[in-house]
Amino acid sequence: EAGVTQSPTHLIKTRGQQVTLRCSPISGHTSVYWYQQALGLGLQFLLWYDEGEERNRGNFPPRFSGRQFPNYSSELNVNALELEDSALYLCASSLEYPRVNSPLHFGNGTRLTVT
Amino acid sequence: AQKITQTQPGMFVQEKEAVTLDCTYDTSDQSYGLFWYKQPSSGEMIFLIYQGSYDEQNATEGRYSLNFQKARKSANLVISASQLGDSAMYFCARDQTGANNLFFGTGTRLTVIP
Repeated sequence: EAGVTQSPTHLIKTRGQQVTLRCSPISGHTSVYWYQQALGLGLQFLLWYDEGEERNRGNFPPRFSGRQFPNYSSELNVNALELEDSALYLCASSLEYPRVNSPLHFGNGTRLTVT
Repeated sequence: AQKITQTQPGMFVQEKEAVTLDCTYDTSDQSYGLFWYKQPSSGEMIFLIYQGSYDEQNATEGRYSLNFQKARKSANLVISASQLGDSAMYFCARDQTGANNLFFGTGTRLTVIP
């Protein structure tokens, strides 16, 4: 069974640009989550999508947005990039809500560098 | 509040020894789940172990066990017989109330010394 896949693995952008990160969940999983992990810090929750709808959002500005497609894959968009957006962006997937007892399964992440 | 606290930024352990990584949490929920993840330097998050708040027994998975003390709101991870490959960041996490996502602590960096 293929795991969660993310693309690209690395990305370098300049301040003010826009970026799109992509995630494909494990087959059968309908929930997708995005987390930001700045260097040396823990994981900060960004977004949760389930069945194509945004279900929950972390404490991030509106320039962080995303969507989930009918095949349950997802995109994270970040507009007007700032230097502090440099981080590892992790996508995870799980079974549908409520996710009782089961963990989130993570991809290997996209490392974004903003210069 | 839904805070997860890991008070040990870094820990060292001798190879083949046991080590305990601390985790405490805030919650007013009766039903919740607690998770531990390992993050090697490569960056991927590896699920290790789960404990449900109503589970009467402490969870175990191979060399990993969870010392769950509900009244104290603590869920410490115990790694027995440490191996060099256990060197990594370890994160404690819990469910967010009414949602599917997890809240994570700030992590503990474990270094296993040969």
